[in-house]
Amino acid sequence: GQSLEQPSEVTAVEGAIVQINCTYQTSGFYGLSWYQQHDGGAPTFLSYNALDGLEETGRFSSFLSRSDSYGYLLLQELQMKDSASYFCALNAGNNRKLIWGLGTSLAVNP
Amino acid sequence: DVKVTQSSRYLVKRMGEKVFLECVQDMDHENMFWYRQDPGLGLRLIYFSYDVKMKEKGDIPKGYSVSREKKERFSLILESASTNQTSMYLCASSGEANYGYTFGSGTRLTVV
Repeated sequence: GQSLEQPSEVTAVEGAIVQINCTYQTSGFYGLSWYQQHDGGAPTFLSYNALDGLEETGRFSSFLSRSDSYGYLLLQELQMKDSASYFCALNAGNNRKLIWGLGTSLAVNP
Repeated sequence: DVKVTQSSRYLVKRMGEKVFLECVQDMDHENMFWYRQDPGLGLRLIYFSYDVKMKEKGDIPKGYSVSREKKERFSLILESASTNQTSMYLCASSGEANYGYTFGSGTRLTVV
């Protein structure tokens, strides 16, 4: 089957850098996505890695290594507003179905 | 601003009632999805649709049905609401040409 694992909670301080890891098991997939969800809100799309390597979008970067079955989301210059849950998700087929991790709750402290 | 709109933000229904949750997207997306989200269980797929009148079961379809008569609208139906269907319901859509889902703001359903 397909599954993803990510830490349940991460804590960091304002201005720091934090990395949220995601390891997965799958027989094949198109890419790895990351979503952010604030308490009471809906998930919002952050990034997508179809190929190995680093994708950078402002303060956020995402990385994928297919050979290691591993990806991560890197958040730099942390701000209080970055406190949220972050989900990794495998794109299992033509963007029609995602396989989701259970999410990592990030707390950014002053 | 493109969006996915869910008809209700909060809903309280009685056990045994038939419940309709509506979702409309204005992005001409082919794919639409219904999820439920519960603490500790993440996002679980109920049903999805990749075309008008087409539907496929997700991971937890029991007790639910869906309808997609028009491309922009995807309805989730709880045939006979039960207390274990109390949850946050999230609708999402995606296009074939991009990689991200766009989610609606969610409907928090309470069945009493």
